[in-house]
Amino acid sequence: DSGVTQTPKHLITATGQRVTLRCSPRSGDLSVYWYQQSLDQGLQFLIHYYNGEERAKGNILERFSAQQFPDLHSELNLSSLELGDSALYFCASSVQFTGELFFGEGSRLTVL
Amino acid sequence: AQTVTQSQPEMSVQEAETVTLSCTYDTSESDYYLFWYKQPPSRQMILVIRQEAYKQQNATENRFSVNFQKAAKSFSLKISDSQLGDAAMYFCAYRSAEPDFGNEKLTFGTGTRLTIIP
Repeated sequence: DSGVTQTPKHLITATGQRVTLRCSPRSGDLSVYWYQQSLDQGLQFLIHYYNGEERAKGNILERFSAQQFPDLHSELNLSSLELGDSALYFCASSVQFTGELFFGEGSRLTVL
Repeated sequence: AQTVTQSQPEMSVQEAETVTLSCTYDTSESDYYLFWYKQPPSRQMILVIRQEAYKQQNATENRFSVNFQKAAKSFSLKISDSQLGDAAMYFCAYRSAEPDFGNEKLTFGTGTRLTIIP
């Protein structure tokens, strides 16, 4: 158990819909990272939040947005969903800007 | 920007044998971290081993060891006495030890799928 909690674990929805994925980092970790993993592919960095503020953006679509709340949990919002958005979405946290990231179990999104 | 390359999409090894997974990376930085993560069928990302670039000694964790060649920018993972539970996707990853603002992320390679043959 990494200590990073993601909900929901699985989500099935239709094209055009909007979903919210939630992440609670490890206790004490101020940084939250979101990654997308499409089928049998590598992990693509989406966005990084540190202590409530956006720190870096990667290949995140304009239809996607994220935020980190005062209690440090984070939400990734995906809107106007398309079939190609089907993927495993990982949240990871770290206490510092160096060293390893600790990953949650991921949220598997299926868009039909 | 840093890049990580894993040139072996798939590898297989007989149970109890040794296998080496390759990884190369490109960076202009002198201090950084390198990692191997394992992703079994459960899809959980599990840290296997880490290496700090300023340490010359290769990291080891039980049956897992690395061959870190800083000048060649190479970071291979050796798995000894392979077990059925080692079957997974293995990702090599890079992270700066002195990141610029906004460059603190982990950069992954494309992965190597390891199959263990009983």
